[in-house]
Amino acid sequence: AQTVTQSQPEMSVQEAETVTLSCTYDTSENNYYLFWYKQPPSRQMILVIRQEAYKQQNATENRFSVNFQKAAKSFSLKISDSQLGDTAMYFCAHLKTSYDKVIFGPGTSLSVIP
Amino acid sequence: ETGVTQSPTHLIKTRGQQVTLRCSSQSGHNTVSWYQQALGQGPQFIFQYYREEENGRGNFPPRFSGLQFPNYSSELNVNALELDDSALYLCASRASGRASETQYFGPGTRLLVL
Repeated sequence: AQTVTQSQPEMSVQEAETVTLSCTYDTSENNYYLFWYKQPPSRQMILVIRQEAYKQQNATENRFSVNFQKAAKSFSLKISDSQLGDTAMYFCAHLKTSYDKVIFGPGTSLSVIP
Repeated sequence: ETGVTQSPTHLIKTRGQQVTLRCSSQSGHNTVSWYQQALGQGPQFIFQYYREEENGRGNFPPRFSGLQFPNYSSELNVNALELDDSALYLCASRASGRASETQYFGPGTRLLVL
């Protein structure tokens, strides 16, 4: 079975600092996608960043970047210059292209402290 | 906001009852997925509809069923409600049947079963 593990249930970071959220996943496939989603207290889930496994270059979206280590099956999210609006649950998710179903991890609750 | 809407926002039912949740997909999107998110957990995939046909299902019993209409809006029906069905139900839409496409989530319906 596919699994996605997020080993940090809760994290906090000072405003303007950098924080890294960890994610590991289990797959025997070579082609797949990885995602980080953000769910603020208002509940609406939004996509933060996505990575295609066949691309070696790490994805970047403004202050958000990933460290994708395919051999280690690791997919961490780095948030630079943290802002109060970054306070949210962050979910790592994995899609095996042949399976066509997105599997979410249990989430990391991030608090940005003023 | 993503353009995906869900109704109602909150719902209270008693065990054994039936419930229907609704989702309006973002304009131009023909695929809707439904997820169950228990408190403190990541979303779990229930099923997916593509052009009015169910084309993927997670590990949920048959009392979870759905529909997709010609305008691509969707319903999730749950029969014989159990206490464990209490959760946030999320729908997500995307522009095609490919799961690798970005999906856009609605705000969710919070269901409480007493």
